[in-house]
Amino acid sequence: EPEVTQTPSHQVTQMGQEVILRCVPISNHLYFYWYRQILGQKVEFLVSFYNNEISEKSEIFDDQFSVERPDGSNFTLKIRSTKLEDSAMYFCASSWDRVDYEQYFGPGTRLTVT
Amino acid sequence: GQQLNQSPQSMFIQEGEDVSMNCTSSSIFNTWLWYKQDPGEGPVLLIALYKAGELTSNGRLTAQFGITRKDSFLNISASIPSDVGIYFCAAPDSNYQLIWGAGTKLIIKP
Repeated sequence: EPEVTQTPSHQVTQMGQEVILRCVPISNHLYFYWYRQILGQKVEFLVSFYNNEISEKSEIFDDQFSVERPDGSNFTLKIRSTKLEDSAMYFCASSWDRVDYEQYFGPGTRLTVT
Repeated sequence: GQQLNQSPQSMFIQEGEDVSMNCTSSSIFNTWLWYKQDPGEGPVLLIALYKAGELTSNGRLTAQFGITRKDSFLNISASIPSDVGIYFCAAPDSNYQLIWGAGTKLIIKP
């Protein structure tokens, strides 16, 4: 069964460093998403991406965040200058359509900023 | 902003028991989703509801889209140990962004 994959599973970085989180969405999906989940809290939407551009983004997704689909398979989230409060699980998701909301999630990357 | 309120926050259940949880909002939504998250993993979609009053089953799971479009319910019948985890409701806002509840944590009593 096709699945969303994410690498790395755990990333430790120092405050102020740049990190890139990588995702490989399901191959025939057209919509891609990043979500964040701070430990023990609810899942929060960050950004959606379609046709090589951002469709929607939340207030959390400020100028320090960017997304890219550098080739036909990868979808990346870059955090330019990490802060302690960026420590969280970051989930990538993909879907075939936007309106059916059947989004498939990857296993997540745990980001720890020290 | 729009919020989804899930209850209960956590449940201790005996294996074999039926489980009920719900999700409410002061806002109207046109779609309700139920996800399950196991420790260390991403959420997995269990059931999607697209029509007010709709009742949909997925094995031992049954979810309903409330008539007012402000709530949804998830029931699990005859719970088994692998049902433990956190159950989230989610609904898309007018910008297609998924809003999530805080989750209901299901714990099996030893």
